[in-house]
This record gives sequence, C-alpha cells and structure tokens, in this order.
Amino acid sequence: GAVVSQHPSRVICKSGTSVKIECRSLDFQATTMFWYRQFPKQSLMLMATSNEGSKATYEQGVEKDKFLINHASLTLSTLTVTSAHPEDSSFYICSASSSGTTDTQYFGPGTRLTVL
Amino acid sequence: QKEVEQNSGPLSVPEGAIASLNCTYSDRVSQSFFWYRQYSGKSPELIMSIYSNGDKEDGRFTAQLNKASQYVSLLIRDSQPSDSATYLCAVHPGGGNKLTFGTGTQLKVEL
Repeated sequence: GAVVSQHPSRVICKSGTSVKIECRSLDFQATTMFWYRQFPKQSLMLMATSNEGSKATYEQGVEKDKFLINHASLTLSTLTVTSAHPEDSSFYICSASSSGTTDTQYFGPGTRLTVL
Repeated sequence: QKEVEQNSGPLSVPEGAIASLNCTYSDRVSQSFFWYRQYSGKSPELIMSIYSNGDKEDGRFTAQLNKASQYVSLLIRDSQPSDSATYLCAVHPGGGNKLTFGTGTQLKVEL
C-alpha cells in the first residue's frame, strides 16, 4: 500500500520550454501532496504543499509563477516548471499523505530534469 | 527556527555490525518521527515511524525515541552492504502538515 508514482522519471528539455511532472497516489487518496527539489549531494528542499481543490502554499523563495502546481483530484498533482533554465535542473520529488495519516509522507520515485 | 540535526557522516560500519544513527530536534511539541532511507539518485523510502517514547522494532530496524531529551535514533542490526545509503530523520512538529527533515547521515557498510 501507499504507492506514489511520478511521470516522467527523466526529462531533458531546451531552455525556455515548460515541463509538466505528474504525481499520482495509486492506492490511496492523497489529501495533501508535497513537492520537493533536491540538488546533488544536498538535502531535500520543500517547494510547496498542495491540498486537493485549493491553491498550493509555496515555501519562501519559491516562485509560484514559475512552478505551477495543480492538485485537481485526490490522486493527482502536477508541477509545471515554466520557462525552464539550466539552473532549474534538479531532482524533483513529490510525496503524498492521506487524511488518515496526515503526518506520514510517501514519496514518489522522483523526476530528474535536465535543462539544456 | 525548527531544526532537525543529524551528523552527516559518513558512518562506516563493518558488515554484520550494529549501525547507530542519531537525530536531535528542537521543537518540543513534535509528535511524530520518521526515518527514511535514500539511496544515491533515488527518492526517500519510509523505513519506520515512531510516536511514543521507547523502542519500536521492525525486523533489523529499531527506532528509539526520547522526547524529554528530544532525541530519536535508528539502530540497524546485522548491517548489510545493501544498507549503505543516506538516512533521513524527519519530524512532524504537531502543527500543520509539513515534515522537517534533517540533512541525513550517510551510512557505509563495509565488507
């Protein structure tokens, strides 16, 4: 149980393009989803928290107009990196928690983004 | 500033030994505590959660919590090379729904 998937697992794009990453909870309803970014050899950095049907809450320093988050259903959240630049290249990881275990987060496998 | 502190390591232990990973946290009202394992290039994987003072065992893993000392630890018995990874301590502060993560301890289990 508590399986979270992400798609794509790896994406390479040109500078200036937008990239959408999907995060799905496969066997539970995720009332809250979290988006993290991790640079090589660094710790997880929370970017934003999204609750189903409401606007995401962004962490300080994260541009909400650049990192668009949609949590339209209890099993799907998307992160769109708009006008991507090489400095956006990173490992993006989502996690999800359910209403029954609001503090336990289950992580997706991550998406490695490379912006050329 | 709510913090979770871990020694970055690397912590090296021989195969078959007990690995002891430690974590301290600053927020006294923290309620829930988690250990995640992260292999290089992969996402974190939940190993254990603990909510009450004392020990909680699951297979070769034992989590220990001492709320008075604001200390949580993870013991790995009979360490295997496959246990080599970074172990992340995470704390739920008891308000809101975000976890606060430590920077992780790198464990190396040597043959």
